[in-house]
Amino acid sequence: DQQVKQNSPSLSVQEGRISILNCDYTNSMFDYFLWYKKYPAEGPTFLISISSIKDKNEDGRFTVFLNKSAKHLSLHIVPSQPGDSAVYFCAASDYSGYALNFGKGTSLLVTP
Amino acid sequence: DGGITQSPKYLFRKEGQNVTLSCEQNLNHDAMYWYRQDPGQGLRLIYYSQIVNDFQKGDIAEGYSVSREKKESFPLTVTSAQKNPTAFYLCASSLSGGPRSTDTQYFGPGTRLTVL
Repeated sequence: DQQVKQNSPSLSVQEGRISILNCDYTNSMFDYFLWYKKYPAEGPTFLISISSIKDKNEDGRFTVFLNKSAKHLSLHIVPSQPGDSAVYFCAASDYSGYALNFGKGTSLLVTP
Repeated sequence: DGGITQSPKYLFRKEGQNVTLSCEQNLNHDAMYWYRQDPGQGLRLIYYSQIVNDFQKGDIAEGYSVSREKKESFPLTVTSAQKNPTAFYLCASSLSGGPRSTDTQYFGPGTRLTVL
């Protein structure tokens, strides 16, 4: 049973524009959320995280927004660059969890 | 440089053979994890270890075994009992493996296992 869902398998955005990647979760016990970026045949790289006590966290071009009532988070990339083209995974954990629950990923393509 | 290494990057085995995937970290992390990724799927947890000489089953442990004799090393054995072993295997580690692991997990480069 998929507790973390990324309903858009792919997204295409022009260079310089905003990329918005979405993630929904079903487990109300999740209180820590992360985004990872993954290139083919490589391990995921940590991008940004957010605790449930916050609703926004920024790091340079990357901002994560959390809407707890909707059980929804999103990753905004502004401005998008061709090097951002990768698969982005949303992940979540709860207080009792020892490991992360991952979504299936969204493949982002940033075109020049 | 600190990091996580997995070897080999590509591994081919015949059906029915056991195979061991290596994972080493020099980050001084207590916790280590093994995930499996299949095409179009997220990462699924196989085993995790919070501390040396201790490990726990994840969501899909059947057909796999692990050991944690050293802090730096967490090898995964894919046994012949694993019905569909061909996949991309990822090892990760985090600073703490306590009851609430908010620590970021850092991943190795992965091993692609193909069973012929």
